[in-house]
Amino acid sequence: EAQVTQNPRYLITVTGKKLTVTCSQNMNHEYMSWYRQDPGLGLRQIYYSMNVEVTDKGDVPEGYKVSRKEKRNFPLILESPSPNQTSLYFCASSLPQGVEQYFGPGTRLTVT
Amino acid sequence: GENVEQHPSTLSVQEGDSAVIKCTYSDSASNYFPWYKQELGKRPQLIIDIRSNVGEKKDQRIAVTLNKTAKHFSLHITETQPEDSAVYFCAASINSGYALNFGKGTSLLVTP
Repeated sequence: EAQVTQNPRYLITVTGKKLTVTCSQNMNHEYMSWYRQDPGLGLRQIYYSMNVEVTDKGDVPEGYKVSRKEKRNFPLILESPSPNQTSLYFCASSLPQGVEQYFGPGTRLTVT
Repeated sequence: GENVEQHPSTLSVQEGDSAVIKCTYSDSASNYFPWYKQELGKRPQLIIDIRSNVGEKKDQRIAVTLNKTAKHFSLHITETQPEDSAVYFCAASINSGYALNFGKGTSLLVTP
């Protein structure tokens, strides 16, 4: 089954404790992206990757890191999480040239 | 960067009525305009999209129109049904879909 998976789905952590949210897709998509969703603010892009070893900042990259060492994986790293990073995070992937972006199931992160 | 405004933020209609959601964008170079539907607790899913070389696109009960001169595009849902109740997001992209800039969403409620 074609899908985008994220882990963990739910995470409660404390300020400053490094964490990684994994994202994996099995559709051989070149393009992958991370968004955060906050009430009243919609979906905002954090980082995106157009292919292996090619990443670029989105609209809200501060406090986040990404890497793209393999085509199927695009982990999101929070080196020192803060409460303002409490949010719902979505990973997405697509083929090149603007066809549908397939979203993962989301990761709800709470930083206390 | 691209700025996408979406109105209204909430919309309530009676079953069978039509619903219209409007978005404006700021960057005249934008060339791809998708609409995503997000049901409660679920991931966003593409419902329809339009490219800048097309003025209108229809898929059964949903249609999208694009006015490049005015830099606005709209989603039209006819004969609404309770299962149309969801949050709808418009988006715009200047690079055919790689970096999507989303509107803040419209919460549509269809009452029987």
